[in-house]
Order: sequence, then C-alpha cells, then structure tokens
Amino acid sequence: GAVVSQHPSRVICKSGTSVKIECRSLDFQATTMFWYRQFPKQSLMLMATSNEGSKATYEQGVEKDKFLINHASLTLSTLTVTSAHPEDSSFYICSARSWEIKQGQYSSYNEQFFGPGTRLTVL
Amino acid sequence: AQSVAQPEDQVNVAEGNPLTVKCTYSVSGNPYLFWYVQYPNRGLQFLLKYITGDNLVKGSYGFEAEFNKSQTSFHLKKPSALVSDSALYFCAVRSLSGNTGKLIFGQGTTLQVKP
Repeated sequence: GAVVSQHPSRVICKSGTSVKIECRSLDFQATTMFWYRQFPKQSLMLMATSNEGSKATYEQGVEKDKFLINHASLTLSTLTVTSAHPEDSSFYICSARSWEIKQGQYSSYNEQFFGPGTRLTVL
Repeated sequence: AQSVAQPEDQVNVAEGNPLTVKCTYSVSGNPYLFWYVQYPNRGLQFLLKYITGDNLVKGSYGFEAEFNKSQTSFHLKKPSALVSDSALYFCAVRSLSGNTGKLIFGQGTTLQVKP
C-alpha cells in the first residue's frame, strides 16, 4: 500500500517550453501533496504544499507563476514548469500524505510517501 | 527555528559490521522524527518514525533508531550492514508550523557499505 507514482520519469525539453509532471497516489487518498526539488547529492528543497481543492502554498523564493501546481482530486497533483530554462533542470519529487483514522480521530502524524521522481533536463 | 542536522556527509562501513548514521534535531515541543532512504535516481523510501512511546523504534529492512531527548538525537542504526544498504539517508522532522505535515530534511548522509 501507499504507492505514489510520477509521470514522466524523465523529460527533455527545449528552453521556453512548458512541462507538466503528474503525481498520483495509487491506493490511498492524499489530502496533501508536496513538491520538492533536489540537486545532485543535495537534500530536498520543498517548493510548495498542495491541498486538494485549494491553492498551493509556495515556499519563500519559489515563483508561483513559473511553477504552477494543481491538486484537482484526492489522487492527483500536477506541477507545470512554465517557460522552462536550463536552470530549471533538476530532479523533481512529489510526496503525498494520507489521513489515517485512529481511535475515531484523524491523525496528522503519519509519514509522507514519495514518488520516484522526475528528471527534467532543459536544453 | 526548527532544524535537523546530519553531521556526516558520508559513512563507510564494512559489510557485516554495525552501522550508525547520526541525526540531531532542534525543535520546540515534542518532535516527530523520520528516516528516509534514497537510492540513485529514485524517490525517498520511508524507513521509520518516532512520534511517541518507546525510544527505540524499529523500521524497515532491519533498521532501527533511538530517540534521545536529552541529546536531541535520533541516530539510525543497523546491527549488521549489507552492501545493498549503500544509499543516501535523510533524517527529517515534522514542521510545527501549520498543520500540513511539512517535513524539514537534514542534508543527507551517504552510506557506503563495502564487501
């Protein structure tokens, strides 16, 4: 259980084009999804938090008009890199968090489940 | 401010020996701590978490971690390392701001297990 998929796994595009990355929770409903960016041999940098049916919350320094996030359903969030440039080349990882019911109450203590990542290369 | 530190960029151990990957944290209040592992060009895989209860937490693939409140540490351990354990390991703490479950990650530690 708790599988998160990303599509595509790898994409190469020309500078100036837009690229859409999908993140899906396959066997659970994800009320919250997160988008990260990771540079080689570095930690994950949180870009934004996406809640189903509402606008994403972006971290400081992340351009919301460049990185468009849509969380239209409880199993799908998309990240669109608009007008991509070579400096946008990176490894993008999504994660999803589910709610689990314990003792009749929602628990917010559960872990995030990560997708396999998308390698974006902008030429 | 909340933070997580992994003081070692790389840990080298011989196969069959015990391994420890260090993590210290700084949070106000009770911490929710996690360990994840990342293999090359892959996403992160959950290993274990500490929320409350027993200080020794057992996780996937034979890993365990010990929560030490006085030392503000949450070191990852395994009694006998395997070559296949070689990967990048991340310690994380749940952010207390908001209720989104946002994680704050350490910088990562590369574990190299040699045969």
